[in-house]
Amino acid sequence: SQTIHQWPATLVQPVGSPLSLECTVEGTSNPNLYWYRQAAGRGLQLLFYSVGIGQISSEVPQNLSASRPQDRQFILSSKKLLLSDSGFYLCAWSVPFSESNYGYTFGSGTRLTVV
Amino acid sequence: AQSVSQHNHHVILSEAASLELGCNYSYGGTVNLFWYVQYPGQHLQLLLKYFSGDPLVKGIKGFEAEFIKSKFSFNLRKPSVQWSDTAEYFCAVSPTSGGSYIPTFGRGTSLIVHP
Repeated sequence: SQTIHQWPATLVQPVGSPLSLECTVEGTSNPNLYWYRQAAGRGLQLLFYSVGIGQISSEVPQNLSASRPQDRQFILSSKKLLLSDSGFYLCAWSVPFSESNYGYTFGSGTRLTVV
Repeated sequence: AQSVSQHNHHVILSEAASLELGCNYSYGGTVNLFWYVQYPGQHLQLLLKYFSGDPLVKGIKGFEAEFIKSKFSFNLRKPSVQWSDTAEYFCAVSPTSGGSYIPTFGRGTSLIVHP
């Protein structure tokens, strides 16, 4: 069965420090991968998505970047964190868009606090 | 681009009360529709989805949703809620054509059920 792993679960980082959040998927190949940020009362904001290795689409310009070095690995990064980067970050995967059973599976999330 | 509106941001009910959470979307083409749930301290998980066929969709834990195409709505219902239904509920819409199948999420509805 497919599983998605996201870590760390919580993270406290000082302003100006770098960030690296990792997400890996098991049990499937060539998934679509996503990074979302969830803010209270604001729903889920799509940050990045990837349909393949090295292919990254950015939905919202900001202080973050994403990379997909391997088929089932998706990394969210920042060179210098801002206070406004605090939030709850979710990784998700789905089958490719063309498949009829398209739908999302979410990771457990990372609570990032920038201090 | 599509948009999703969840009218109720906070709902408070007593156990055994009936539940209906509103979800309306705007998009000119055909869509896939989803409801996701996030229980306290847990990750987002799929509650139910509509792709095609019977517009009345049954999901887990006694939830159901009805797709009314003429009203662009996909309201979530449960005849009798339980304390364990306390959670945040997200409606999502994904176009089935146009190149981008990525769902757009509503802002979420926080449901609190009092025992």
